[in-house]
Amino acid sequence: QVQLKETGPDLVQLTQTLSITCTVSGFSLTTYNVHWVRQPPGKGLEWMGAMWNGGGTDYNSAFKSRLSISRDTSKSQVFLKMNSLQTDDTAKYFCARHRGGHRVMDAWGQGASVTVSS
Amino acid sequence: DVLMTQTPVSLPVSLGGQVSISCRSSQSLVHSDGNTYLHWYLQKPGQSPQLLIYRVSNRFSGVPDRFSGSGSGTDFTLKISRVEPEDLGVYYCLQSTHFPLTFGSGTKLEIK
Repeated sequence: QVQLKETGPDLVQLTQTLSITCTVSGFSLTTYNVHWVRQPPGKGLEWMGAMWNGGGTDYNSAFKSRLSISRDTSKSQVFLKMNSLQTDDTAKYFCARHRGGHRVMDAWGQGASVTVSS
Repeated sequence: DVLMTQTPVSLPVSLGGQVSISCRSSQSLVHSDGNTYLHWYLQKPGQSPQLLIYRVSNRFSGVPDRFSGSGSGTDFTLKISRVEPEDLGVYYCLQSTHFPLTFGSGTKLEIK
């Protein structure tokens, strides 16, 4: 059974760094890709970046150099780190499994809600 | 970035009825490999998005045949027939032909 679960802080201080872990089961990170998507409260979905099964990454330039994605395949975990947080980074952060052949995210975690507080 | 324009924003429907949602892209979604990477998701209240249709017209596993996708190039449509209560929520289109991946702004399906 494919599962993804995001864990991270509920609250992060303004200008600080956000760290979220996506722990997966039911598939291998060396076979499938994992993407990150966020959703501000009451708003739409925004693609953030990808960890490819070969270990490479891609990022949405909207996040400039603030965003970093990494992984630990031995623990089946993918990590999101984003620095210099602002109040408009308040959002639910999702990790999702991505099938390379169809270029589609076919399974999602339940999301981690993060509030940036001043 | 590819702009995905979804219409309508809100879509009132009677149970048992049929609806269509439009998604238009600011540039062609035909990839250099010849495939079109346009997908549809439903996000039910309080849940994460769930895949309905991938690559324009392919229903994902377990998705009922009441859902169908069509289109080409820059113009795509999701049709839902015989609407049931569990179909209510926000529908999003997603293009993954070009980087960055971009979503439509969503269409909220609600009871009339």
